[in-house]
Amino acid sequence: QVQLQESGPGLVKPSGTLSLTCAVSGGSINTSNWWSWVRQPPGKGLEWIGEIYHSGSTNYNPSLKSRVTISVDKSKNQFSLKLSSVTAADTAVYYCARVSWGYYHSSGYFRGFDYWGQGTLVTVSS
Amino acid sequence: SYELTQPLSVSVALGQTARITCGGNNIGSKNVHWYQQRPGQAPVLVIYRDSNRPSGIPERFSGSNSGNTATLTISRAQAGDEADYYCQVWDSSTSYVFGTGTKVTVL
Repeated sequence: QVQLQESGPGLVKPSGTLSLTCAVSGGSINTSNWWSWVRQPPGKGLEWIGEIYHSGSTNYNPSLKSRVTISVDKSKNQFSLKLSSVTAADTAVYYCARVSWGYYHSSGYFRGFDYWGQGTLVTVSS
Repeated sequence: SYELTQPLSVSVALGQTARITCGGNNIGSKNVHWYQQRPGQAPVLVIYRDSNRPSGIPERFSGSNSGNTATLTISRAQAGDEADYYCQVWDSSTSYVFGTGTKVTVL
């Protein structure tokens, strides 16, 4: 059973950089899965941030792309998120998740999140 | 951009059936996934690719998708089904899109 665990500072100052790491256990990060970050502001819905493949290929949400960097460390079986120039609007619970993806002739491509970390609250405040 | 619209809330009597809709332009042509999020917990995948249940998800959860609406159905609703539910799709132009979320209350 794959397990994901987020870690990192729970408080970041405005204009600073938010840094989180997701440790993957129960399986290798070096598989045919993408690995994602998703966030949820308090009392609001889910927002996809970006994803990475074990090769280092990345995709980002266009609305955050200029501030986001996702990297992978295969030796430690983990991947990381950096979000720069944060404001109070970036206060949220941040989740890491595994992406299951594929293609079916009948319904086309799909990508969904089959395993999630427990989430970590990051507050942006001075 | 692509949008997915869900009702803000759905109420269901204990033991009855709840239906949660997810509306989107021609959503029937996409693969829809559904997540359950209990208070204070991470989302859990309950339906993938429109109508498939992951291992460990009760048969009471089912899904369908056609036209402009995807639907998550919870049969014989239990108190433990009280949660927020989100639909989600992906395509190459819009990437990952989540629905607005629906709060299910079991009366």
